[in-house]
Amino acid sequence: SQQGEEDPQALSIQEGENATMNCSYKTSINNLQWYRQNSGRGLVHLILIRSNEREKHSGRLRVTLDTSKKSSSLLITASRAADTASYFCATDSSGSARQLTFGSGTQLTVLP
Amino acid sequence: DAMVIQNPRYQVTQFGKPVTLSCSQTLNHNVMYWYQQKSSQAPKLLFHYYDKDFNNEADTPDNFQSRRPNTSFCFLDIRSPGLGDAAMYLCATSSVKSSYNEQFFGPGTRLTVL
Repeated sequence: SQQGEEDPQALSIQEGENATMNCSYKTSINNLQWYRQNSGRGLVHLILIRSNEREKHSGRLRVTLDTSKKSSSLLITASRAADTASYFCATDSSGSARQLTFGSGTQLTVLP
Repeated sequence: DAMVIQNPRYQVTQFGKPVTLSCSQTLNHNVMYWYQQKSSQAPKLLFHYYDKDFNNEADTPDNFQSRRPNTSFCFLDIRSPGLGDAAMYLCATSSVKSSYNEQFFGPGTRLTVL
């Protein structure tokens, strides 16, 4: 079953602006991951944040995690047209079962 | 480069005609997954293999079967495709040596059912 909900469902911004996507989930987690999917392609892992971490950075990406609110956000700074894609959060609460549960995704469009 | 490969990238089949999708990996990961993804939706896990141990999701239709003859290859068989089975099928892998269950995806196979 789908655990995560993401908002907004769609986001359109100008190149150079920042993009923020949010993810909420329902059960306790080991970690939360963000993936990117270009149209018609597979998913690519972007960044992972563990349940005992609150913030993580990777290049232009910043992820926050609030386990008390069961929510996470992904910030992409100084966006580029090439950032246009769908972004999915995925939660790992499986322990040994090694399964991820994906959110509903945010479609980001960056206009040149 | 180590990777996950899916063949074919596009598959067209007729209603009720069996079809097999294939996935191979050079990552030597012991866990392999099959997901179904419909337009503008999240990937939905169909089943996964932990080595040779097969794990079926409770709501995966019986119409979907899988085989994993060795570490590198995994197949998805759709015995009698219906129009509702038209979707992108994604294969992914992960390694138990990783503490964090990061998954590596193939490019997907787009299935069309006529």
